[in-house]
Amino acid sequence: AQSVTQLDSHVSVSEGTPVLLRCNYSSSYSPSLFWYVQHPNKGLQLLLKYTSAATLVKGINGFEAEFKKSETSFHLTKPSAHMSDAAEYFCVVSPIYNQGGKLIFGQGTELSVKP
Amino acid sequence: EAGVTQFPSHSVIEKGQTVTLRCDPISGHDNLYWYRRVMGKEIKFLLHFVKESKQDESGMPNNRFLAERTGGTYSTLKVQPAELEDSGVYFCASSHFGGLNYEQYFGPGTRLTVT
Repeated sequence: AQSVTQLDSHVSVSEGTPVLLRCNYSSSYSPSLFWYVQHPNKGLQLLLKYTSAATLVKGINGFEAEFKKSETSFHLTKPSAHMSDAAEYFCVVSPIYNQGGKLIFGQGTELSVKP
Repeated sequence: EAGVTQFPSHSVIEKGQTVTLRCDPISGHDNLYWYRRVMGKEIKFLLHFVKESKQDESGMPNNRFLAERTGGTYSTLKVQPAELEDSGVYFCASSHFGGLNYEQYFGPGTRLTVT
């Protein structure tokens, strides 16, 4: 079975400092991995995705994530946080054999950005 | 281009009543997904439509939930009769094609409260 674990339910950073949101996955097959973000009262938006190409994936708004198979991790980073980054972030897995595109979500990490 | 819309944004009903949630996908998207987030838990897949056909309904919790997509356009999710544990946020997503190479666009969700 496939699953994802987001290691922090809440992360707080100061504006201009680095962001690290941690995610570990479990998958019997080569997975596809995603990060989604949800701002208040908005739908979830895709930040980036890994589908077995380059292990370092760049997304929107300066975010990136690195797929590390040996550590079964897919942590999300950003060099410098902005106030507009405050939102809830979801690490998501979908098994490569799943042609339907069903997504399996982690528990979410709430990111707060202090001025 | 309009995004995925969901109606209502909030619904408060009593246990035993019936509620119908509606999702309008992005025009031309054949694939439509329903997900649910129960308080304090992760977002979970409910089912997947391709046009008007149910492709995968493995996540539907029980027979009190009925999803339809007549004509392959908008979809409804009916809960009858509602129970307390049905409270949560119901998300709809759509994509042009199924599978992992096509982004799922999410609506803002319907917050359902059963009292």
